[in-house]
Amino acid sequence: GQNIDQPTEMTATEGAIVQINCTYQTSGFNGLFWYQQHAGEAPTFLSYNVLDGLEEKGRFSSFLSRSKGYSYLLLKELQMKDSASYLCAAYFGGAGSYQLTFGKGTKLSVIP
Amino acid sequence: DTGVSQDPRHKITKRGQNVTFRCDPISEHNRLYWYRQTLGQGPEFLTYFQNEAQLEKSRLLSDRFSAERPKGSFSTLEIQRTEQGDSAMYLCASTENYGYTFGSGTRLTVV
Repeated sequence: GQNIDQPTEMTATEGAIVQINCTYQTSGFNGLFWYQQHAGEAPTFLSYNVLDGLEEKGRFSSFLSRSKGYSYLLLKELQMKDSASYLCAAYFGGAGSYQLTFGKGTKLSVIP
Repeated sequence: DTGVSQDPRHKITKRGQNVTFRCDPISEHNRLYWYRQTLGQGPEFLTYFQNEAQLEKSRLLSDRFSAERPKGSFSTLEIQRTEQGDSAMYLCASTENYGYTFGSGTRLTVV
C-alpha cells in the first residue's frame, strides 16, 4: 500500500515553533497536502507541495523532498487555536483520479 | 456558493437498518469523493465520481454500500443493513483540479 507515516501526538507551547514530519512511499507520488482538522469538524486545506522546497503561507510553511519521501509542516508563533489534528495526504498513481491517501493525523496540543 | 453541504449532520440508526446520506458539492466542481473517518484515523477513500460517472471504488466499499451522482450534481451514499462497524464520520469532498474542499460530514452511529 501507499503508507503515509506521521507522529500520533505532539505538544508545544503557545508562541513557540513546532515541526510535524510526514514520510511516504515515493513510488507513484504526485503531490502532497497538509490539512488541519479540529475535533468533530471537516479537514480544511493548509498547503500543497508538488516540487521540492519550502512553501510559506503566513505562520504556516510546508516543505517537500521528493527524493527522500519526506515533508514537514512548520507552525510558527503557536496559538491556542492551533490545537488540532494535522493530516498529511498524498496523491499516488495516475493524475486522473486525484484520489488522496491520508495519514492517520498528528494531534497537536498547544499549552499555555 | 456556500461550499460543500452534507445532510444529515448526525444519524443514529439501529443495526440492520438502511441509511442514506446526501452531499451537495461546489457547483463548478466536477469531481466528488466520499471518505470515511473513524476516531483517531485519517480519512479513508470510499469512492469517486467525475461528473455522473463513478470511476473508482475502494475495496472497503462492500456490497452493502452504494453511491450515486445522478446528473453530475449532488451525490448520495446508501448503506444497507448497517452494522456497528459502519459507525464513522462520512465525509464528502469536491474539487475542480486539485485539493479537496470537504463538507462538514455526516456522523453515523449504529446501535
